[in-house]
Amino acid sequence: GENVEQHPSTLSVQEGDSAVIKCTYSDSASNYFPWYKQELGKGPQLIIDIRSNVGEKKDQRIAVTLNKTAKHFSLHITETQPEDSAVYFCAASYDKVIFGPGTSLSVIP
Amino acid sequence: EADIYQTPRYLVIGTGKKITLECSQTMGHDKMYWYQQDPGMELHLIHYSYGVNSTEKGDLSSESTVSRIRTEHFPLTLESARPSHTSQYLCASSATGFSGNTIYFGEGSWLTVV
Repeated sequence: GENVEQHPSTLSVQEGDSAVIKCTYSDSASNYFPWYKQELGKGPQLIIDIRSNVGEKKDQRIAVTLNKTAKHFSLHITETQPEDSAVYFCAASYDKVIFGPGTSLSVIP
Repeated sequence: EADIYQTPRYLVIGTGKKITLECSQTMGHDKMYWYQQDPGMELHLIHYSYGVNSTEKGDLSSESTVSRIRTEHFPLTLESARPSHTSQYLCASSATGFSGNTIYFGEGSWLTVV
């Protein structure tokens, strides 16, 4: 069945450094790739998304890249801040949305 | 910000009790979902609905049941709660169309069965 892998499962960075989370998907029909941030005690919130006709998208300190040939997509966070600490989920979608297992990001002040 | 509401946010109940977790959305979305999640762990789809009077079981087997009598309302019921049901339950919704499969989540209901 469809599957989304996500790496790393945990990530610690110093404040100000960059963080990168990588995902791979199995369904070549997938055409929509959202990223969610889940803070402690809250539901996941959409932070950025990308569609298959675009290779890169940026919103302030966060950016996503997509390589459809390799079925890879990544989240890049620059100039990390303590409030970026959270669990991040990638997802791939055609008709169903398949979530990755999550990455716990800790930003150390 | 998404308009999807879950009640109660926190619930502690005894084994064998019946509980209903409420979920409502005001966005007119036709698709609604229930996910089960242990803290900081994977999101497991347990139920979904693509419209009124349509419900399906998700990828993770669950003893809970759902109903979809109104577009905006998607309650989840456990007839007899057990400690193994202790978890966070997340309700979500999405629209069909160009905006596609953007799923919007509620804040979650934390259930503890003692």
